[in-house]
Amino acid sequence: KNEVEQSPQNLTAQEGEFITINCSYSVGISALHWLQQHPGGGIVSLFMLSSGKKKHGRLIATINIQEKHSSLHITASHPRDSAVYICAVKPEAGSYQLTFGKGTKLSVIP
Amino acid sequence: NAGVMQNPRHLVRRRGQEARLRCSPVKGHSHVYWYRQLPEEGLKFMVYLQKENIIDESGMPKERFSAEFPKEGPSILRIQQVVRGDSAAYFCASSSGQNGGYTFGSGTRLTVV
Repeated sequence: KNEVEQSPQNLTAQEGEFITINCSYSVGISALHWLQQHPGGGIVSLFMLSSGKKKHGRLIATINIQEKHSSLHITASHPRDSAVYICAVKPEAGSYQLTFGKGTKLSVIP
Repeated sequence: NAGVMQNPRHLVRRRGQEARLRCSPVKGHSHVYWYRQLPEEGLKFMVYLQKENIIDESGMPKERFSAEFPKEGPSILRIQQVVRGDSAAYFCASSSGQNGGYTFGSGTRLTVV
């Protein structure tokens, strides 16, 4: 079982819809990252979270440390949001390796 | 230096040749990480370096792969005698410290023919 599980694996949405991507992990962590990867493209770091909630534009990320769960929300989705969204966790202090989920492929249709 | 610079973006090598991948971290970042993304798989940690030191290479294959981060110049990931299974996207990330956020590069896509 992967230490980081994402759901769904694939997601198709109509433009304007509210989108939620989930990430569950099984180890104690010091931080959780949400990353975005466009096809054939590089990786962009969207958020780094250790508690609570962060917002940037139409993107919102939340984390519940007790439940070992995080969500990435996209409000008013747009075709340019189409990408793979990756959850990655950094284990508790003393380790520096990121462990990645397999990603959620999002397609937003006009 | 706005971000992590990786070059080349695409690299084609014949089996048995050497591949050299370069990564220039964000200015001021002294921590560099290399990750590999195999087709249809998630990213996997390979190696973590600080200037002139390899801190953790537990994710790197024992043979044919090596990495360095010299005092001057970019970090280099070197793959000797490449095989088809080495075909992947190789990403570099840098940070200012172990607890800092990461900045990723655009990756080098290696194709072994």
